[in-house]
Amino acid sequence: EVQLVESGGGLEKPGRSLRLSCTASGFSFGDYSLSWVRQAPGKGLEWVGFIRSKAYRETVEYAASVKGRFSISRDDFKSIVYLEMNGLKTEDTAVYYCNRVNSSGWYFFDYWGQGTLVTVS
Amino acid sequence: AIRMTQSPSSLSASTGDRVNITCRASQRISSYLAWYQKKPGEAPKVLIYGASTLQNGVPSRFSGSESGTDFTLSISCLQSEDFATYYCQQYYSYPLTFGGGTKVEI
Repeated sequence: EVQLVESGGGLEKPGRSLRLSCTASGFSFGDYSLSWVRQAPGKGLEWVGFIRSKAYRETVEYAASVKGRFSISRDDFKSIVYLEMNGLKTEDTAVYYCNRVNSSGWYFFDYWGQGTLVTVS
Repeated sequence: AIRMTQSPSSLSASTGDRVNITCRASQRISSYLAWYQKKPGEAPKVLIYGASTLQNGVPSRFSGSESGTDFTLSISCLQSEDFATYYCQQYYSYPLTFGGGTKVEI
């Protein structure tokens, strides 16, 4: 069974940093691209960014709203993907979901974690 | 960025109804569109990808169609478990973008 479990959320002050982790199981982690999507309170879903697999040199893409502040990395040995968030802003307050990019290579998300809440205040 | 405009933003329906939700892309995205269902406190779940391909395990009462830059999610016979918020997402180009969501209420 595919599972994605996020951790590391919490309350942080503006300008500070926070690192989220997403631990995966139930699939061949190294073969997949992984992504982060967030949902601010009462708002819709917003894509944050993703990291491709080693086969695609672990290249990353980011949304404009986080580019230069957020960084995604992965550890294929531990089956963990990270979201390093620097220079936090109040508008970064959201539930952050880790998700798996479909194996076809088309960038929709076939499995999601339960999310972790980040509050910037 | 490609803008995805969903309509309506909310709708009221009853069990057994047929429901249609529309998503309009601001430019051509071919068939690179997915639909997700989101319930409060739960992770989103993909229903349809490629505009009309049903994800494994999703009931056949869900279907998707496209006409140019307009995409429709249909639920043929609404069940109690279908009351949720639905989002479209384009994966034609970066940044990946979602529609604003459609809340289906009783």
